[in-house]
This record gives sequence, structure tokens and C-alpha cells, in this order.
Amino acid sequence: DSGVTQTPKHLITATGQRVTLRCSPRSGDLSVYWYQQSLDQGLQFLIQYYNGEERAKGNILERFSAQQFPDLHSELNLSSLELGDSALYFCASSVAGVGETQYFGPGTRLLVL
Amino acid sequence: GDSVTQMEGPVTLSEEAFLTINCTYTATGYPSLFWYVQYPGEGLQLLLKATKADDKGSNKGFEATYRKETTSFHLEKGSVQVSDSAVYFCALSVPSGAQKLVFGQGTRLTINP
Repeated sequence: DSGVTQTPKHLITATGQRVTLRCSPRSGDLSVYWYQQSLDQGLQFLIQYYNGEERAKGNILERFSAQQFPDLHSELNLSSLELGDSALYFCASSVAGVGETQYFGPGTRLLVL
Repeated sequence: GDSVTQMEGPVTLSEEAFLTINCTYTATGYPSLFWYVQYPGEGLQLLLKATKADDKGSNKGFEATYRKETTSFHLEKGSVQVSDSAVYFCALSVPSGAQKLVFGQGTRLTINP
């Protein structure tokens, strides 16, 4: 158990819908990262938050957004969903320094029908 | 840009065989290097890491040495077990900008008894 929790574990929805994925980092970690794992793209970095502020963006679509709340949990919002958004979405957390280990949650498996 | 290349899988070995999974990287600066493992239906777990040249990371009988001259971080284990069956990801994190992880495509390893 990494100490990072993600809910829900599975999500099935339809095209055009909007969903919210939730992540709670390990106790004491200030940084939260979101990654997408798909068969064709592999594991890709989406976005990083540090202590409530956006720190870096990766290959995140404009239809996707995220935030980190004062209690440090984070939410990833996916809107206008398309079939191609079906993937495993991971959250990771770290204390947030160079070379720090990132600890991953169990992921949320999203299926868009 | 920064990238990681892993040997293509899948890899199938017999129990007690010697394992090598090749990993090479391209990065600006001096990255930290990681091996993560993903067991079926689970999130990613850190297996080992190295943060500077010639460092050797080791855990659970697995080893990898950070080779700056060949930009490599090959994963090795002397005697694999059935329980080592999983997908292995090599990853890097660069010291500037976002501390995101850049992953290789993953190598699926199956160990037969």
C-alpha cells in the first residue's frame, strides 16, 4: 500500500459526459501528479500540483482540468468525454524535490462507451 | 526532448533464469532514474532508483546501475521467480522544471515454473 488513495476504482460513462477523479496523497506529500496510461500512448504525464498551485503541464487536453485543494487532495475533471479517453488514470504524490520518489495510487479505470 | 527506450517485450523466462531488461535514455542535464513495477490490476510500485552516475539501485534481488557514458539503466536479477511476473517500467526525472516522470513503454515479463 503506497498510502495514495484514488476513487473511484472503476468508472463507466458515455461519450459527451463529464467525470471527476479524486486523489488523496500520502500524508506529508505536497506534490500531486496525474498520469494517463493507455495501450497506444503508454504512461503519459498530464499535470502536477504543488501545495495547491499548478506546477507543470504535460500532454493534458483542454477538455481536462485539475485542482488541488487546501487539504492537498486533488481532483481531475474530464469533460466532453470521447471513446479515446478510455484509460487508466493514476495519481502519484511526492514530498516534491528533485529526484524524489513518486508514490502511485491504484488508479481509476475509465471506460467511455 | 527527454525520452526512455526499453527493450520490447514480452519476455518469457523459466524460474531461476537470469533476467536483463535493457533501458536507455535521452535527457538534458543529469536525470534521476527509476524502475517501477506494475503487477496485474495494481498501480505502479517503485522497485529501485539511482540519482547520479555510477549509483547502483537494488531491491528484492533486482539491480540497476546508472551508466552515464552509455546513458543506460539496465535492470538485472540473478534468479527470477514466478512472483516476478509483472510489467516493468524504466523512467527518468530531470532536475529542472517539472519533476514529472518520463516512462519507457514497459516490458511485460512472464516467469514459468
